[in-house]
Amino acid sequence: KQEVTQIPAALSVPEGENLVLNCSFTDSAIYNLQWFRQDPGKGLTSLLLIQSSQREQTSGRLNASLDKSSGRSTLYIAASQPGDSATYLCAALSTHSGGYQKVTFGIGTKLQVIP
Amino acid sequence: EAEVAQSPRYKITEKSQAVAFWCDPISGHATLYWYRQILGQGPELLVQFQDESVVDDSQLPKDRFSAERLKGVDSTLKIQPAELGDSAMYLCASSLSRGSSYTFGSGTRLTVV
Repeated sequence: KQEVTQIPAALSVPEGENLVLNCSFTDSAIYNLQWFRQDPGKGLTSLLLIQSSQREQTSGRLNASLDKSSGRSTLYIAASQPGDSATYLCAALSTHSGGYQKVTFGIGTKLQVIP
Repeated sequence: EAEVAQSPRYKITEKSQAVAFWCDPISGHATLYWYRQILGQGPELLVQFQDESVVDDSQLPKDRFSAERLKGVDSTLKIQPAELGDSAMYLCASSLSRGSSYTFGSGTRLTVV
């Protein structure tokens, strides 16, 4: 059974800092890993999707890496801004024992960027 | 940009009443997911559809929850009777195919009183 863990659970940084959010998964046989952002009371917004054959994906100030062998992914945010304050979740897509695909989420890291 | 539509946005219902949520995925997306997210936790899968077929409902409390996607397009999730512990955000997501990105709707915030 796939389990996804995110560390830290919460993070507070001053504006302008670079930061790293961590995600680990127990089953390395994943199809892809996706990072999402969630604002309070809202749905999830996709940030980056890394296929299992890829090592990293970049979008603007965001860079996500994937190391399947160690069961880890990181989300790097450069030059953080107050508008980056949100909860960041990672989700791993893997094959369930029944043969179909299943997405497993972590609990998320709540980020606060202080002006 | 294509979106996953969900309604209602908010729902308050009394304990023991019935409640239903609706989701319209992005056109052409064969896979549809219903998730429940309790405050402070990550989303938990309730049911997954491939076209009109349920492929995973192992975490769906079938004594009170039901889900359907009759024509393989939009979907309805129903709770009857609602319990206080059902208060949560109910999220719908869809994806085009295996390995592709999932797009989430804005969710339905359910409060059971």
